[in-house]
Amino acid sequence: DTAVSQTPKYLVTQMGNDKSIKCEQNLGHDTMYWYKQDSKKFLKIMFSYNNKELIINETVPNRFSPKSPDKAHLNLHINSLELGDSAVYFCASSHLAGAGPAKNIQYFGAGTRLSVL
Amino acid sequence: QKEVEQNSGPLSVPEGAIASLNCTYSDRGSQSFFWYRQYSGKSPELIMSIYSNGDKEDGRFTAQLNKASQYVSLLIRDSQPSDSATYLCAVNIFYSGGGADGLTFGKGTHLIIQP
Repeated sequence: DTAVSQTPKYLVTQMGNDKSIKCEQNLGHDTMYWYKQDSKKFLKIMFSYNNKELIINETVPNRFSPKSPDKAHLNLHINSLELGDSAVYFCASSHLAGAGPAKNIQYFGAGTRLSVL
Repeated sequence: QKEVEQNSGPLSVPEGAIASLNCTYSDRGSQSFFWYRQYSGKSPELIMSIYSNGDKEDGRFTAQLNKASQYVSLLIRDSQPSDSATYLCAVNIFYSGGGADGLTFGKGTHLIIQP
């Protein structure tokens, strides 16, 4: 079973549309994240959720909204898509509770390649 | 603002030699340090994690951390063509409330192992 799974793998859409990307982890982790990797391959944190609460919210447009129905899922909703939103979006998860040797090792999903036309 | 700096390369190393990858970070409060490998079109894959000063070895990989110099490195011994990839250095900091920042990544070093 895939530890962190994202759907869809590819998403092609028109400017102005609203779309969602789903993420699920079966690792029992307590924190999930969304990252954006742009055309220059620079990977940047967007959001993280811990126990259904938003911990950080990087300076991303409010057109992006994370939604977590439960600890194993963190979906990303994007409204009014723009050309500049084209990128690969990665979901990740980690376990923060405690201070064990594997603290905050993050495991990544396969990514969703979003193309806005 | 937290920053992680890496030489983008490409770094070309003959097969069987040692590949040395370097990374510096700006935030002295950083507590955890990671090296991820990313093949083209794939997701980042954890190679090494290191939390305290010194060396940490795992197979052909050795991570080195010097917090005073704010410097992290990765050595790959007996380099193989399959090691050709982009290597991402990442650091993170924990908030006092128990939460955690996401990882701050460098822009990656493109490593090419020449057969």
